[in-house]
Amino acid sequence: KQEVTQIPAALSVPEGENLVLNCSFTDSAIYNLQWFRQDPGKGLTSLLLIQSSQREQTSGRLNASLDKSSGRSTLYIAASQPGDSATYLCAVIVDYKLSFGAGTTVTVRA
Amino acid sequence: NAGVMQNPRHLVRRRGQEARLRCSPMKGHSHVYWYRQLPEEGLKFMVYLQKENIIDESGMPKERFSAEFPKEGPSILRIQQVVRGDSAAYFCASSRDRGRQETQYFGPGTRLLVL
Repeated sequence: KQEVTQIPAALSVPEGENLVLNCSFTDSAIYNLQWFRQDPGKGLTSLLLIQSSQREQTSGRLNASLDKSSGRSTLYIAASQPGDSATYLCAVIVDYKLSFGAGTTVTVRA
Repeated sequence: NAGVMQNPRHLVRRRGQEARLRCSPMKGHSHVYWYRQLPEEGLKFMVYLQKENIIDESGMPKERFSAEFPKEGPSILRIQQVVRGDSAAYFCASSRDRGRQETQYFGPGTRLLVL
């Protein structure tokens, strides 16, 4: 059974600092890995999807790496802004099933 | 191009009542997935449906829960005789196809509160 863990559970940083969010998974036989953002009371917004054959994906200030052999992914957010405050979810994808971590709640202080 | 739509956004039910949650997938999408997010927990897969077919319901509780995706109209997640433990956010996602390259697009969720 796939277990997805996100550390830390919560993070508070001053504006401008770089963010590093970690995700680990127990079964390396995954198709893809996806990072989402969830704002309070809202749905999920897809940030980055990394295919199993890729090592990283970048979009603007966001960069996500994937190491399947060690079962880890890291999301980097450069030069954080208060608008980055949200919960970030990692999900591993096997066939059609997404297995989610519990998320990291980020607060960026102005 | 409207995204995945869910309604109602908030639903309050008393114990023993029925809850019906609706999901309209994105245009051109025929695959629907339901996930549940319990308080302080991650999202958990419940069921995967294609038009008129349940493909995988391995995440659905064995009793009181059912799902359908008829030929016409939205997908429905139905919870009979709700209990307080059913209070959660229920998210629907859709995809165009079922390949490994396909992305699931999520709706805004329905927050169910059972009193």
